[in-house]
Amino acid sequence: AQKITQTQPGMFVQEKEAVTLDCTYDTSDQSYGLFWYKQPSSGEMIFLIYQGSYDEQNATEGRYSLNFQKARKSANLVISASQLGDSAMYFCAMREGPAGNQFYFGTGTSLTVIP
Amino acid sequence: ETGVTQTPRHLVMGMTNKKSLKCEQHLGHNAMYWYKQSAKKPLELMFVYNFKEQTENNSVPSRFSPECPNSSHLFLHLHTLQPEDSALYLCASSQGQWGQNTEAFFGQGTRLTVV
Repeated sequence: AQKITQTQPGMFVQEKEAVTLDCTYDTSDQSYGLFWYKQPSSGEMIFLIYQGSYDEQNATEGRYSLNFQKARKSANLVISASQLGDSAMYFCAMREGPAGNQFYFGTGTSLTVIP
Repeated sequence: ETGVTQTPRHLVMGMTNKKSLKCEQHLGHNAMYWYKQSAKKPLELMFVYNFKEQTENNSVPSRFSPECPNSSHLFLHLHTLQPEDSALYLCASSQGQWGQNTEAFFGQGTRLTVV
């Protein structure tokens, strides 16, 4: 079974609007971490936001927030006030703890921001 | 400036060549990773090193040979590659133990083309 599932291959959003990128995960561990990365066309993977499985509040980092629904095993990324520079691939990832070294990645969502 | 540096950024090699990819991290991390990213596929974990010891080898062909001389440096030695090995190779590092700041930091990748 896939550890991380991203069901939206491509998304479009109008500049200044908010957009939600979906991510569901599969693990039997109680302790795990969820991550979102952005990959522009240059190739570099840029870390955006982290949510720990025991964190009670949703993580936020500037315009990024993570909508964490533990019972549904979902960790959706919300980008508010989209900018043209947000156009990129976005990857959801999970690390199983406490000793897990592997990061499992989804297939990614290509986001295009329309002026 | 990224904390994880990969060289070279681009590499074209023939199937009979031998080349090496280099990765260096200045973040004090003790876990380092090689990932392969092919078009339209999720990131594939190739190797994981934790405290210089290889802890994961995801059925990678022997034409890829990793080397981790210390916690700051990671190499991927390549020989007799196939055209299907053409991809973006990403190096990453992270804290090996669970806790805060557990995200993986990525280099900018080496775009490899096998001709």
